[in-house]
Amino acid sequence: DTVLTQSPALAVSPGERVTISCRASESVSTLMHWYQQKPGQQPTLLIYLASNLESGVPARFSGSGSGTDFTLTIDPVEADDTATYYCQQSWNDPPTFGAGTKLELK
Amino acid sequence: EVQLVESGGGLVQPGRSLKLSCAASGFTFSDYNMAWVRQAPKKGLEWVATISYDGSSTYYRDSVKGRFTISRDNAKSTLYLQMDSLRSEDTATYYCASWAQDWGFAYWGQGTLVTVSS
Repeated sequence: DTVLTQSPALAVSPGERVTISCRASESVSTLMHWYQQKPGQQPTLLIYLASNLESGVPARFSGSGSGTDFTLTIDPVEADDTATYYCQQSWNDPPTFGAGTKLELK
Repeated sequence: EVQLVESGGGLVQPGRSLKLSCAASGFTFSDYNMAWVRQAPKKGLEWVATISYDGSSTYYRDSVKGRFTISRDNAKSTLYLQMDSLRSEDTATYYCASWAQDWGFAYWGQGTLVTVSS
């Protein structure tokens, strides 16, 4: 299975720019998606196909990357962005998720 | 408004069975592939199974093959997950979600908790 590696946690101040990384154990082309999960809630799709903003998601969120290295950027970060962020690949079967990056606001 | 509402979770003993349901509304259910994704307590997300839009194709993660069965009733806009021979490691919140290779898991339900314990 394709392993996706994310840093476990980040802490930033409101108004700052934050980048969350995801590295795949093998190429996934651009078939990488990003999700936000707030405590006690279901995940929601933020970015699909590496860089496409899902409808209704604020333009503060953006994604980039291809192959094995991907980035989710939030600029500027707001207090409401406190959540765990997951990357997920759909190029190789089975679809796999990263372990998640917990974003905390200072 | 898109809605996915799961039901059927609960406490079950190891080796027993449970059937989850997911009622869909707000979109044309029969046009979408669907999936179950689970999340063990305090853990990350894990894909469980996928079914094609017409029910003709199904896929499972290795650890549930032969024990879980995904199915759908397009006339009722409902997705199912029959879980047999349950194990403690199946304890998780189970989410139903729409699935497309080029769109990911776009729509999610609120989840239903399954606890496997004696």
